[in-house]
Amino acid sequence: NAGVMQNPRHLVRRRGQEARLRCSPMKGHSHVYWYRQLPEEGLKFMVYLQKENIIDESGMPKERFSAEFPKEGPSILRIQQVVRGDSAAYFCASSLDGQNNEKLFFGSGTQLSVL
Amino acid sequence: DAKTTQPPSMDCAEGRAANLPCNHSTISGNEYVYWYRQIHSQGPQYIIHGLKNNETNEMASLIITEDRKSSTLILPHATLRDTAVYYCIVRVVGKIIFGKGTRLHILP
Repeated sequence: NAGVMQNPRHLVRRRGQEARLRCSPMKGHSHVYWYRQLPEEGLKFMVYLQKENIIDESGMPKERFSAEFPKEGPSILRIQQVVRGDSAAYFCASSLDGQNNEKLFFGSGTQLSVL
Repeated sequence: DAKTTQPPSMDCAEGRAANLPCNHSTISGNEYVYWYRQIHSQGPQYIIHGLKNNETNEMASLIITEDRKSSTLILPHATLRDTAVYYCIVRVVGKIIFGKGTRLHILP
């Protein structure tokens, strides 16, 4: 049973380009969470999605960032017109459901570097 | 905001038990206590969670006080590979909010 898969592991973009980060949850999981970790800082919640729905986007920057989790395929975190401050590790997690006795499983992350 | 308080760092000798404390004085009756760790820049790794009873698994033990206002994570025989940042989290329905955690150094 494969774990949470994120790709790419490393992504390099120039300022102004778009970044697309992909997350395939564990088999059977329908809840996905995205987190960002800036260098030498903690993990910050960004967005929580269920299939085809955004449940909580309270941690998403208001501009340039969007997330989706379609009925088929991986969850996508999209960053438009990237800036140097977007350089960070982006982690995705999944869970079977969103109940508070259900643990989250994390992927290995995507390291985004903006030149 | 995180609902937990942890010491920023701790040291533990290799082979000894590591006891990591956590305060969560505002925890509600149906909120679980979770522990995760992050080794270097890897994805967070689940360790253990509990509601009110003490829990044990192959990695660690979790001791929750009777009033549920604090807990302790115990790594019974710490090794160098246990060097990591350990996060104590009070889980509400939905997302997990990470605090600053405790940076555990295992000393050879």
